[in-house]
Amino acid sequence: KAGVTQTPRYLIKTRGQQVTLSCSPISGHRSVSWYQQTPGQGLQFLFEYFSETQRNKGNFPGRFSGRQFSNSRSEMNVSTLELGDSALYLCASSLEGRGMHEQYFGPGTRLTVT
Amino acid sequence: QQQVKQSPQSLIVQKGGISIINCAYENTAFDYFPWYQQFPGKGPALLIAIRPDVSEKKEGRFTISFNKSAKQFSLHIMDSQPGDSATYFCAASESGAGSYQLTFGKGTKLSVIP
Repeated sequence: KAGVTQTPRYLIKTRGQQVTLSCSPISGHRSVSWYQQTPGQGLQFLFEYFSETQRNKGNFPGRFSGRQFSNSRSEMNVSTLELGDSALYLCASSLEGRGMHEQYFGPGTRLTVT
Repeated sequence: QQQVKQSPQSLIVQKGGISIINCAYENTAFDYFPWYQQFPGKGPALLIAIRPDVSEKKEGRFTISFNKSAKQFSLHIMDSQPGDSATYFCAASESGAGSYQLTFGKGTKLSVIP
């Protein structure tokens, strides 16, 4: 079974621009979560989607948004990029079900803002 | 507020030795505790996980010990190998919250020297 895939793997953007990152979950997984990883703050939860609905959101500004499509694929968008948005953005998928907490991460998208 | 505290920040172990990483949590509603292994340039990979109804779980050379009263859990890597050199993250989530959001520790960089 293929794992979580994320595209693109690397991105370089300029401050003030916007960016869209994509995530395809493991086949059959309907829950998708996004995390930001930086050396200083570690792994921080951004948001979680299930059945095209955002069911949880972390403590990030409104410039960070996301959505999920009917095929469970997800995208996240960051508008008006700031230098501090440089990070590894990770997507994780989960198999929804009683007791099914396991989250499987993709390789991430490395975003550099200059 | 850091809800999951992980120590040590870095760890050097001789090949064949035992690596021990500790985590402490504050939120008593947490009921799922996974450990992730991350190699440079890769996403975190689920290693092993435990629920508070058991005090220990073993998978191969990896063991989680869980102390509910102390709100602590630890990862033991037996017979550590150079290939185990990676960053390890503990995490926790709360199933009753209706979300799979993971709260991560800051990570431990493990180096296993030959």
